[in-house]
Amino acid sequence: DAEITQSPRHKITETGRQVTLACHQTWNHNNMFWYRQDLGHGLRLIHYSYGVHDTNKGEVSDGYSVSRSNTEDLPLTLESAASSQTSVYFCASSEKGAQPQHFGDGTRLSIL
Amino acid sequence: AQSVTQPDIHITVSEGASLELRCNYSYGATPYLFWYVQSPGQGLQLLLKYFSGDTLVQGIKGFEAEFKRSQSSFNLRKPSVHWSDAAEYFCAVGAGHSGYSTLTFGKGTMLLVSP
Repeated sequence: DAEITQSPRHKITETGRQVTLACHQTWNHNNMFWYRQDLGHGLRLIHYSYGVHDTNKGEVSDGYSVSRSNTEDLPLTLESAASSQTSVYFCASSEKGAQPQHFGDGTRLSIL
Repeated sequence: AQSVTQPDIHITVSEGASLELRCNYSYGATPYLFWYVQSPGQGLQLLLKYFSGDTLVQGIKGFEAEFKRSQSSFNLRKPSVHWSDAAEYFCAVGAGHSGYSTLTFGKGTMLLVSP
């Protein structure tokens, strides 16, 4: 069955370090998304991509970057981790258009 | 820009009772609307979606939702709640053009089910 996989599931790191969260989907979807989930805020869009070499900023993109070199992967990089970036991160993918998004199980990131 | 409001942060329902979770959206054109459910430690699972046509849509796990354009609402309902329905529920509106779309989520409603 097709799926979307995030790794690692849990990570603890220190402020100022670079961190990369992986997202891999086997749906062959063009669209991929990164969200962060915080208590009281729901899910907020960080970055998204509509295809290879395409990336776009979302609502809360400061301090984050993505790159899309193939259809399956959209890694999220925190260039210099800050404590405010402690959160649960979700990756999602969808077909073109206003189609439902399929979500991974999330990465819980703690920045000390 | 689109937005979604879920007025209830928490709702407690007795097992076997009916359920209605409220969702109001703001969007200038015809919206694409979704309800997702999230169990602890897991990602979001799609319950149902509305794109066009019949305003009453059926989803998985016995859930349904009704799109009311005049009220800008898309409330989720279930006639009889089971203990396994305890989870967090998110309403989302999709917006975009030319085949591309992002989702804006509400802040969620936590459903607690009492015995």
